Amino acid sequence: DGGITQSPKYLFRKEGQNVTLSCEQNLNHDAMYWYRQDPGQGLRLIYYSQIVNDFQKGDIAEGYSVSREKKESFPLTVTSAQKNPTAFYLCASSIRGANEKLFFGSGTQLSVL
Amino acid sequence: SQQGEEDPQALSIQEGENATMNCSYKTSINNLQWYRQNSGRGLVHLILIRSNEREKHSGRLRVTLDTSKKSSSLLITASRAADTASYFCATASYIIQGAQKLVFGQGTRLTINP
Repeated sequence: DGGITQSPKYLFRKEGQNVTLSCEQNLNHDAMYWYRQDPGQGLRLIYYSQIVNDFQKGDIAEGYSVSREKKESFPLTVTSAQKNPTAFYLCASSIRGANEKLFFGSGTQLSVL
Repeated sequence: SQQGEEDPQALSIQEGENATMNCSYKTSINNLQWYRQNSGRGLVHLILIRSNEREKHSGRLRVTLDTSKKSSSLLITASRAADTASYFCATASYIIQGAQKLVFGQGTRLTINP
């Protein structure tokens, strides 16, 4: 089946710890995105990547880092600099270009211990 | 920054009734998209309407776009219990290096009562 796989589904972070969220897609999409969703809120863009080895900051990139070494993979690291990391994190991908829809993974819920 | 503002924030109707959700935005757009999210899950794309289109249909869904008023509406006809979910509008305002940047509204939480 084609799609986007996020893991783990639930993740707990200790104070001062960096954690990495995985996102893999087999849709052959060039563009990939990370969004953060807080309870009862919409999605806010953290980072996006249009092509391998290139990525851009979104609206709330502080305290996060990403890499795009392979077309299929776009991992997100939540660093200790992110003081309020508890949220639902969603990865998405799309074909490059205008007027394209996003395909989303099932999300990772990150909580602080 | 939130571009799309959705109204109402919550909507509860009886099964079989129609549900209408509205979205307003502030800047010019390339397209507007509607997504659905079941609790604790990812978003699923429903429909995309381009800035030069006024109305689009997909099954029981009807989307309208009024660029002069910077607003859109999503109508779900003959609602079913399975339509219970949160619905988000997302606006694509510009392209960066070949990809659009989508800005999401806060969503409308729709409950269909059997």
